[in-house]
Amino acid sequence: DTAVSQTPKYLVTQMGNDKSIKCEQNLGHDTMYWYKQDSKKFLKIMFSYNNKELIINETVPNRFSPKSPDKAHLNLHINSLELGDSAVYFCASSRRLDNSPLHFGNGTRLTVT
Amino acid sequence: ILNVEQSPQSLHVQEGDSTNFTCSFPSSNFYALHWYRWETAKSPEALFVMTLNGDEKKKGRISATLNTKEGYSYLYIKGSQPEDSATYLCAFPNTGNQFYFGTGTSLTVIP
Repeated sequence: DTAVSQTPKYLVTQMGNDKSIKCEQNLGHDTMYWYKQDSKKFLKIMFSYNNKELIINETVPNRFSPKSPDKAHLNLHINSLELGDSAVYFCASSRRLDNSPLHFGNGTRLTVT
Repeated sequence: ILNVEQSPQSLHVQEGDSTNFTCSFPSSNFYALHWYRWETAKSPEALFVMTLNGDEKKKGRISATLNTKEGYSYLYIKGSQPEDSATYLCAFPNTGNQFYFGTGTSLTVIP
């Protein structure tokens, strides 16, 4: 009965490959997010998405793209992986309208070799 | 991009000591201020959502205050215990409901 689940937990891949990270929430939330944790443990917003609006942080390379098949899922696709993409990626969800807190997944550690 | 700052960056206290740390955020266009607790090898968990100037919230030995006019929030821990060791994050949403996190305060409570 995990609220926000991400798969895989670990992902090791080579430069140039294309990979996806999946995220699902069963909380009935209307907004989902992707965050990147950098080497200093800083959480940086990448995307937020509800069923009406995708907001992309301007610093995110266009090799990264979110895909939402339905309200409960927001997957992260990364094309042409680079060494600098190695990080922990966190998915989160919330209800947009009532200042509800973020609920995070357990993170996916991506290592690009 | 919003500038959310936290201080100190890290803190070591003895078990039983009380401590506090600060989150600074833009005082214009305020919607809410969130506090999260992030234990090693886990994901961040929400502590408080604060929305009103002068708000004070409490959960056990942890409490938080909010000053929206000057753009800061304090988190207090009374009688710190080793299990309080974690990184404490504050987050500030923009008009698009994107949450910008501070760099966190890493707390270590020494038994």
